[in-house]
Amino acid sequence: GQNIDQPTEMTATEGAIVQINCTYQTSGFNGLFWYQQHAGEAPTFLSYNVLDGLEEKGRFSSFLSRSKGYSYLLLKELQMKDSASYLCAVRVNRDDKIIFGKGTRLHILP
Amino acid sequence: NAGVMQNPRHLVRRRGQEARLRCSPMKGHSHVYWYRQLPEEGLKFMVYLQKENIIDESGMPKERFSAEFPKEGPSILRIQQVVRGDSAAYFCASSLERGVPLANTEAFFGQGTRLTVV
Repeated sequence: GQNIDQPTEMTATEGAIVQINCTYQTSGFNGLFWYQQHAGEAPTFLSYNVLDGLEEKGRFSSFLSRSKGYSYLLLKELQMKDSASYLCAVRVNRDDKIIFGKGTRLHILP
Repeated sequence: NAGVMQNPRHLVRRRGQEARLRCSPMKGHSHVYWYRQLPEEGLKFMVYLQKENIIDESGMPKERFSAEFPKEGPSILRIQQVVRGDSAAYFCASSLERGVPLANTEAFFGQGTRLTVV
């Protein structure tokens, strides 16, 4: 079966740093995605990792370890607008479907 | 370049009626995915299609639900004889064909159709 786990909720303070973890067990692996979704809106693409290591993009960074089935999304200099759900997703190699975790709701406190 | 277009944005149906949800992928995209999202939950995979082909429908209920992506026109998710439990947001995403040499082939999402069954 396919399984993607991430914490249900997290809380952080404006200006701080937060790390959202994701572990996965899938029948194949062809890349890991992070998406941001504000309430009532469509998910928007944040990052993509297919090789081990860290990908940095502005205030957001994403890390992947394929051997450990583990990724994290790092958000720096948190802003109130970062309050959203963050979805970890894996493209399964065999047939290219993308499977999502249940998402982590991030609350930012002033 | 228009994004993924879904319509309608909101759909209200009475129990027993049919719901038709449409998705036009981004220009040049030949892969379409349908997901269902219940309030406060993640995206649940339903079906994955290429033009005129269903690749994977393992997430779609065997009864009442069907999906197609014809050679011409949008992808359609069809729910027959809707029940209250079908009320959810249905998101469509599209991506490029596998093998296209890009840095990534992320899926771009439409704004979703919010189905309410009364």
